Amino acid sequence: AQSVTQPDIHITVSEGASLELRCNYSYGATPYLFWYVQSPGQGLQLLLKYFSGDTLVQGIKGFEAEFKRSQSSFNLRKPSVHWSDAAEYFCAVSGNTGKLIFGQGTTLQVKP
Amino acid sequence: DSGVTQTPKHLITATGQRVTLRCSPRSGDLSVYWYQQSLDQGLQFLIQYYNGEERAKGNILERFSAQQFPDLHSELNLSSLELGDSALYFCASSPDSNPWETQYFGPGTRLLVL
Repeated sequence: AQSVTQPDIHITVSEGASLELRCNYSYGATPYLFWYVQSPGQGLQLLLKYFSGDTLVQGIKGFEAEFKRSQSSFNLRKPSVHWSDAAEYFCAVSGNTGKLIFGQGTTLQVKP
Repeated sequence: DSGVTQTPKHLITATGQRVTLRCSPRSGDLSVYWYQQSLDQGLQFLIQYYNGEERAKGNILERFSAQQFPDLHSELNLSSLELGDSALYFCASSPDSNPWETQYFGPGTRLLVL
């Protein structure tokens, strides 16, 4: 069965520090992987996605993610975090009809 | 703004009641997805419609039903409501139903069952 695990429920980083959010997936075939961000009271916005090709994917707002098939991982990174990055981040894998299976989410807090 | 609209934004109702949530997808998108976000279950896929037909079903209760109309807007009907149905309900749309497509999410409808 398809599943997504985000091991870190809550992460706190200082503004300007680097960030890595972990995501592990379980999927039998070629995975289509997504990272979405949800700001308080808002809907979900796509940060980036992987479906083929280069395993290092660039997204919006300075985020990138690396697909590692051998580790079943798709970790999200940002070199320097801004206070406006505080939000909840969701990793997801897509089933064959397009439905998304989400991880439990990681809440990012940014310290000034 | 994703281009996906959902109404109402907030809904407060009592147990046993029935409500209808509405979603208008982005112009041209044929697929509509419904998701439920709750504290204990997280974000869960409920159901998908593609061009008026049901395409995939997830963890949707029998008390819940959905449909997609010829103009492609969709409605999610929740009946015999229970306290545990209180959640944020999202609608998302995509151009087709391919697994690599981006889904664009609406702002959600927050349902509170008292």
